[in-house]
Amino acid sequence: EVQLVESGGGVVRPGGSLRLSCSASGFKFDDYALSWVRQAPGKGLEWVSRITWNGGVTNHADSVNGRFTISRDNAKKSLYLQMNSLRAEDTALYYCAREGSYWTFDFWGQGTQVTVSS
Amino acid sequence: EIVLTQSPGTLSLSPGERATLSCRASQNVNSNYFTWYQQRPGQSPRLLIYAASKRATGIPDRFSGGGSGTDFTLAISRLEPEDFAVYYCQQYGSSAMFTFGQGTKLEIK
Repeated sequence: EVQLVESGGGVVRPGGSLRLSCSASGFKFDDYALSWVRQAPGKGLEWVSRITWNGGVTNHADSVNGRFTISRDNAKKSLYLQMNSLRAEDTALYYCAREGSYWTFDFWGQGTQVTVSS
Repeated sequence: EIVLTQSPGTLSLSPGERATLSCRASQNVNSNYFTWYQQRPGQSPRLLIYAASKRATGIPDRFSGGGSGTDFTLAISRLEPEDFAVYYCQQYGSSAMFTFGQGTKLEIK
C-alpha cells in the first residue's frame, strides 16, 4: 500500500523558517517524481514545488521561488521542503504528492499544517 | 502561465441527478496533461480522471471526462451521496509547472 506521511509543520513567525518532511512507503521511491501541494484554509489547491526522481531537476511556483527549496533522499525514501522567509500567505495545509502517469498526482499524504503568525 | 477557470463555483443537485462541471483554460492544453480530482470534506484530494477522459483505478463508471483544447468537462451520471465534494481540474504545462482550477463545490440540494 502506497503511503505518504508528512511531518514538520507548526506555528512560525513571519520571516522564520521551517522544514517539512514526507516519508514514503509501499512503492519504489526512486522511480517517481514528487511534489508539494498546499491548501490555504477554506481555499483551493496550489502546486508549490516538484522534484524529479533523482533530484536532478526542481521547479517551484513563482509564489515561493527563491524562498522554498525542495529536495529528496532516495536512500531514506524521504522528501523535504525547506521554507525560508515565511509569510502569512504561506499558511496552509501542505501535502506531499506522488506524480503518476500523465503528470497526475496519483497518491497524496494527509498533509501537515503550517501557520505563519506573529 | 495557463489559468484554469472552473464553473459553476457551486452546483446544487439531488442524489440521482446528473452533474456537469466545466473547466476552461486560458490557452490550449494538451489533453494528455489534463486531470480531475475529487476532495471530500476533511480528506486529501483523490485522482479521478487523467488524460482528460481516462478514469483512474477504482473510479466508478458514472464519472466521465471529456473535452479538448481550452474546454473540458467532468460529468457524473447519477449522483450518489458520496459524490458531494469539491472537484478540481489541473493541468501540467511548460516549465514543468502545474496549475489547478479554483474548484467547484457540488452540494446536496
